[in-house]
Amino acid sequence: GAGVSQSPSNKVTEKGKDVELRCDPISGHTALYWYRQSLGQGLEFLIYFQGNSAPDKSGLPSDRFSAERTGGSVSTLTIQRTQQEDSAVYLCASSRDLRDTIYFGEGSWLTVV
Amino acid sequence: QKEVEQNSGPLSVPEGAIASLNCTYSDRGSQSFFWYRQYSGKSPELIMFIYSNGDKEDGRFTAQLNKASQYVSLLIRDSQPSDSATYLCAVNILGTYKYIFGTGTRLKVLA
Repeated sequence: GAGVSQSPSNKVTEKGKDVELRCDPISGHTALYWYRQSLGQGLEFLIYFQGNSAPDKSGLPSDRFSAERTGGSVSTLTIQRTQQEDSAVYLCASSRDLRDTIYFGEGSWLTVV
Repeated sequence: QKEVEQNSGPLSVPEGAIASLNCTYSDRGSQSFFWYRQYSGKSPELIMFIYSNGDKEDGRFTAQLNKASQYVSLLIRDSQPSDSATYLCAVNILGTYKYIFGTGTRLKVLA
């Protein structure tokens, strides 16, 4: 596609529910990144993929967070048993290769009530 | 000490002036440096990247890198109200695949 596509763009969920956030990177981009940005805060690194492999999961806040990527393309970030502190914008980015310039999607705005 | 530091601002400049945004980083292994612009409620968009010491110019924007002093700056000439946004500095550290972002500097260009 022309750019990084994320869905849903907005999600309101009840505390304790599971949510799935989807990212479709730019066609041909092998590296994919997930970041989180809370209101008024900087970008917090969560995880990156090279192909379908996630060598660095150190940024995931807790074991309630998981991510996968299939076919070297679409990635899903899953948050189980959501908490109010999970409310944030979840940004996906992709790059042609690792260490190359990364391009962001429009984000998925998650609100946990 | 944070890995990438920026003054949160807001930095206010009059229209037509030069806006100077600064960023310092702590890891001497940092190899690539990026400036992103983020409008309120939007995702970051790339403005410039720089790898080597010195200046790099692109239109009204100039990125400056000084690895010895561990800082990178962004100059915006002839600032316009449409430049009002938060500017994020990002650093890629040699040997890793992480891009570490600063918390951003909010720029206000006054008409």
